[in-house]
Amino acid sequence: DSGVTQTPKHLITATGQRVTLRCSPRSGDLSVYWYQQSLDQGLQFLIQYYNGEERAKGNILERFSAQQFPDLHSELNLSSLELGDSALYFCASSASTSGGTHEQFFGPGTRLTVL
Amino acid sequence: AQSVTQLDSHVSVSEGTPVLLRCNYSSSYSPSLFWYVQHPNKGLQLLLKYTSAATLVKGINGFEAEFKKSETSFHLTKPSAHMSDAAEYFCVVSDSSGGGADGLTFGKGTHLIIQP
Repeated sequence: DSGVTQTPKHLITATGQRVTLRCSPRSGDLSVYWYQQSLDQGLQFLIQYYNGEERAKGNILERFSAQQFPDLHSELNLSSLELGDSALYFCASSASTSGGTHEQFFGPGTRLTVL
Repeated sequence: AQSVTQLDSHVSVSEGTPVLLRCNYSSSYSPSLFWYVQHPNKGLQLLLKYTSAATLVKGINGFEAEFKKSETSFHLTKPSAHMSDAAEYFCVVSDSSGGGADGLTFGKGTHLIIQP
């Protein structure tokens, strides 16, 4: 158990809909990262927040957004969903502020299916 | 820019024989390198990491990896495979320059199959 929790575990929705994925980092970790794992794209970094502020963006679509709240939990919002958004979405946390040398601890993921 | 190439999409070995999973990287700065493992329907777990200290890195479950700058490689090895090692393995690079994104760049993964 990494200490990172993600809800829900599974999500099934229809095209055009909007969903919110939730992540609670390990106790004391200030950085939260979101990743998408799909069969065709593999594992891709989406976005990072550090202590409530957006720190870095990866391959995140404009239809997707995220935020980190004062209690450090984070939400990833996916809107105008398309079939191709079906994937496993991971959240990770770390104590790192920069450099990427610290281990990132991954949650169990949310499996999103868009029908 | 950084990238990772895992040279084999699938590796099959017999239980009790050595494991070699190959990884080459490209990074503009001094990289941090990681190997993560993903068991079926599970999240990712860190096996080991290299962050510019010793070039031979020992990880959990008997795995180790050697950082070779001249070859830009970070291959993962284990002397004797166990059935429980069957999983997907990801080689990962992070730009440790300190000024950029902390997001990790993942390889495509190597599926390790252990034959009884």
